[in-house]
Amino acid sequence: QSALTQPPSASGSPGQSVTISCTGTSSDVGGYNYVSWYQHHPGKAPKLMIYEVSKRPSGVPDRFSGSKSGNTASLTVSGLQAEDEADYHCSSYAGSNNPVVFGGGTKLTVL
Amino acid sequence: EVQLLESGGGLVQPGGSLRLSCTVSGFTFSSYVMSWVRQAPGKGLEWVSGISGSGASTYYADSVKGRFTISRDNSKNMLFLQMNSLRVEDTAVYYCAKRQSAWPRLDYWGQGTLVIVSS
Repeated sequence: QSALTQPPSASGSPGQSVTISCTGTSSDVGGYNYVSWYQHHPGKAPKLMIYEVSKRPSGVPDRFSGSKSGNTASLTVSGLQAEDEADYHCSSYAGSNNPVVFGGGTKLTVL
Repeated sequence: EVQLLESGGGLVQPGGSLRLSCTVSGFTFSSYVMSWVRQAPGKGLEWVSGISGSGASTYYADSVKGRFTISRDNSKNMLFLQMNSLRVEDTAVYYCAKRQSAWPRLDYWGQGTLVIVSS
């Protein structure tokens, strides 16, 4: 069982927006502004999409945005495109003893 | 161009050992914390271990502490994961990843190497 809770699946039609949640506790998501999101196409290397809750690395489209409220972080993908279909994983800093925790991943389907 | 390439995966019996390697290029390897992350079949990602740029500090998930050892050779731009006392539940694709600035910002990943622990 993963430390962070994500819905197993999400879906939307091209052009629509979809939001994926990531729920933790005050010891991880709620306690630090260090949440990252990764896009993972099966068989390929995971790709960093969001870091520090809402920052985008260079090259990531601004259709991808992140936010946090309390113990829940969220990833929103706007203007869905076919190539956005992938697994999305959230992660959070969780303290010096066990610094990184992940969610179980959400499979995003573009209908 | 940043590249990370894992190797060393394979089939091993429970209780056995395996050593994974990750060869990197495209950045100053010794300046960055590196990490191993795994994904068991049908499961989410799981952080396994991390090591400081000098190799002096290491970090482990509770699930592998005492069984796995992370190390690096900065002269060869290589990261390693020595896995001992392997269990069926260690079966996973293992990824090496480069940390940028602070956890859990892993900005570059390899494509992974598959480890199967089975009798």
